[in-house]
Amino acid sequence: AQKITQTQPGMFVQEKEAVTLDCTYDTSDPSYGLFWYKQPSSGEMIFLIYQGSYDQQNATEGRYSLNFQKARKSANLVISASQLGDSAMYFCATPNFGNEKLTFGTGTRLTIIP
Amino acid sequence: AAGVIQSPRHLIKEKRETATLKCYPIPRHDTVYWYQQGPGQDPQFLISFYEKMQSDKGSIPDRFSAQQFSDYHSELNMSSLELGDSALYFCASRLTGAFTYEQYFGPGTRLTVT
Repeated sequence: AQKITQTQPGMFVQEKEAVTLDCTYDTSDPSYGLFWYKQPSSGEMIFLIYQGSYDQQNATEGRYSLNFQKARKSANLVISASQLGDSAMYFCATPNFGNEKLTFGTGTRLTIIP
Repeated sequence: AAGVIQSPRHLIKEKRETATLKCYPIPRHDTVYWYQQGPGQDPQFLISFYEKMQSDKGSIPDRFSAQQFSDYHSELNMSSLELGDSALYFCASRLTGAFTYEQYFGPGTRLTVT
C-alpha cells in the first residue's frame, strides 16, 4: 500500500522568500506519480503540480517546482518568491495502482508572514 | 472549462437524519471518487465508480451508500447521521486512460451534523 509522509505540520516563512515543503513516499508500484495540492481556508482542493516516476525532468509550474529524488523517495515542493496568498494547507498525494484513488499525507500548514 | 460540480455546498443536519450529496463530474470523465476530510485531517478515500460500476471501496461506513447514474453524476447517501460525520466531502473525477493520473476535485460539500 502507498504511504505519504509529510513531516512538517506547520511552517512560517517571510514573504518573498522561497519555501520547501517536504514529502516522502513509499510505494511498491513500478510506475507512480506524486501530486501536490493546495487547500486554502475556503476548503477547495487546488491542483498545483504533478511528477511522474518516469519523468526525466523535475516538474515545474510557474512558481512551483518539484525536487524529485527517486533514490531518496522524496518529492519536495518548492515555492519561489512566496506571496501572502500562498498561506494554506499543502498536501502531497500519490495514486494507488489500479483505480488511482489518492493517498494523502497529513499536510503542511504554510503561513506567509508580511 | 467545465469543472466538477458538487451540491449542496453546505449542509446542516441533525443526528439520525439522512443526507444526500451530489456530484457532477467533468463531461466525458468516466471515473468518480468520493473523499471525506474531517476537521484538521487529510482527505480519506470513501468509494469510487468507473463507468457506473463501483470500482473500489475504502473506509466507508455501512450507513453510507453511493451510486453513479447513467448521466455519470454520482450521489452519496448518508443515513443515521452521527456527529463524527461532520466533514468536508469531496468528489473528484478523472478520465481513465488519459496520459495523466490527475483527478479534478470539486469544491466540496461541508456537512455539519448537530
